[in-house]
Amino acid sequence: GAGVSQSPSNKVTEKGKDVELRCDPISGHTALYWYRQSLGQGLEFLIYFQGNSAPDKSGLPSDRFSAERTGGSVSTLTIQRTQQEDSAVYLCASSLGTTGGIDTQYFGPGTRLTVL
Amino acid sequence: QKEVEQNSGPLSVPEGAIASLNCTYSDRGSQSFFWYRQYSGKSPELIMFIYSNGDKEDGRFTAQLNKASQYVSLLIRDSQPSDSATYLCAGGGGGNKLTFGTGTQLKVEL
Repeated sequence: GAGVSQSPSNKVTEKGKDVELRCDPISGHTALYWYRQSLGQGLEFLIYFQGNSAPDKSGLPSDRFSAERTGGSVSTLTIQRTQQEDSAVYLCASSLGTTGGIDTQYFGPGTRLTVL
Repeated sequence: QKEVEQNSGPLSVPEGAIASLNCTYSDRGSQSFFWYRQYSGKSPELIMFIYSNGDKEDGRFTAQLNKASQYVSLLIRDSQPSDSATYLCAGGGGGNKLTFGTGTQLKVEL
């Protein structure tokens, strides 16, 4: 079946502009995660959606970052007034949302954001 | 602060050898652990998970978990050049969130 998809695959923007990154999770997956990976670094957790529960926003680095998930499916990560340090690959993952057991996350191909 | 620690490497092993990748974690509440492989420029892909103490084997891969020592490892037998990648260790605390290590770069040399 179809995996996690993300768009765009690459985004180049100018400092100060707003950007929107999109994630389509695997059908039937109730949990959705956003991560950021800077060059040569590990995955930095940003935000987590689980079903209709309030999202866990504990990883968002500043109030310039926000995300929403409409209809429990597609998610959009918005970065306002982009800065050069926002340049990174933004990865989305989804999982079944199984609680009390193993819940494997599957990753999308990522969006490479470059802020000039 | 929940942490998952990995040696960044690179770890170089000759083709056909056993590669041993190690990971330690600080949160004793972590219950499940995942190993992901990430090729350069690509997204992470799941290799295997483990949640019970001991060994779990899947083909050429063996995951080992020692909860008393807060230690997880991944062994790759008969290493191939195609195994050259960064290996990410991640721990989960019973909820769905995972804490990822920074990854170990593995190079399998001909």
